[in-house]
Amino acid sequence: DAGITQSPRHKVTETGTPVTLRCHQTENHRYMYWYRQDPGHGLRLIHYSYGVKDTDKGEVSDGYSVSRSKTEDFLLTLESATSSQTSVYFCAISEQGTSGRYEQYFGPGTRLTVT
Amino acid sequence: RKEVEQDPGPFNVPEGATVAFNCTYSNSASQSFFWYRQDCRKEPKLLMSVYSSGNEDGRFTAQLNRASQYISLLIRDSKLSDSATYLCVVRDGGFKTIFGAGTRLFVKA
Repeated sequence: DAGITQSPRHKVTETGTPVTLRCHQTENHRYMYWYRQDPGHGLRLIHYSYGVKDTDKGEVSDGYSVSRSKTEDFLLTLESATSSQTSVYFCAISEQGTSGRYEQYFGPGTRLTVT
Repeated sequence: RKEVEQDPGPFNVPEGATVAFNCTYSNSASQSFFWYRQDCRKEPKLLMSVYSSGNEDGRFTAQLNRASQYISLLIRDSKLSDSATYLCVVRDGGFKTIFGAGTRLFVKA
């Protein structure tokens, strides 16, 4: 258990409204990630963070922004939600395993539906 | 072409069977390789890392062929509880981690 929680776990929102998803971790991990998962695509990286206020874009960052003002919280914002952003969103942290490799661990996910 | 490709399945096997999944990747500079397991409507969970020399964890064996750029996962003596989607994951030396779309496995009694 990597001590990751996500909120809300489910959300239905209307097109054009702003939405913020929260990822919270309790183990002081430096690296945090936001992914979306859609059928047939696997998980795709939206944004990641390598420290407080240090973030960068992933492969599907358009329409999303992130913020990390504290080590434990990584927020994902959809400025104006669209139906194409209906998806399952997973937050992840990475930590160095016994092999020396960085391994990713995921939160429980947020199911977002944009109507 | 996808950067990481997996046969989506589904693989339907009886309990006790041996089943193998393959995964190919396109970036020859990839450095780290993993298999994850994902149950329906749950988060992915790390199953095992994959090493060049091959590695085993109980009934699970993972192998990496860098020359051919493929990764395999072998499950022996399948259990009902092995039913899940198995994700192949490839990482470069930095932050870029690519997930395959997954292979679904159903183990039947």
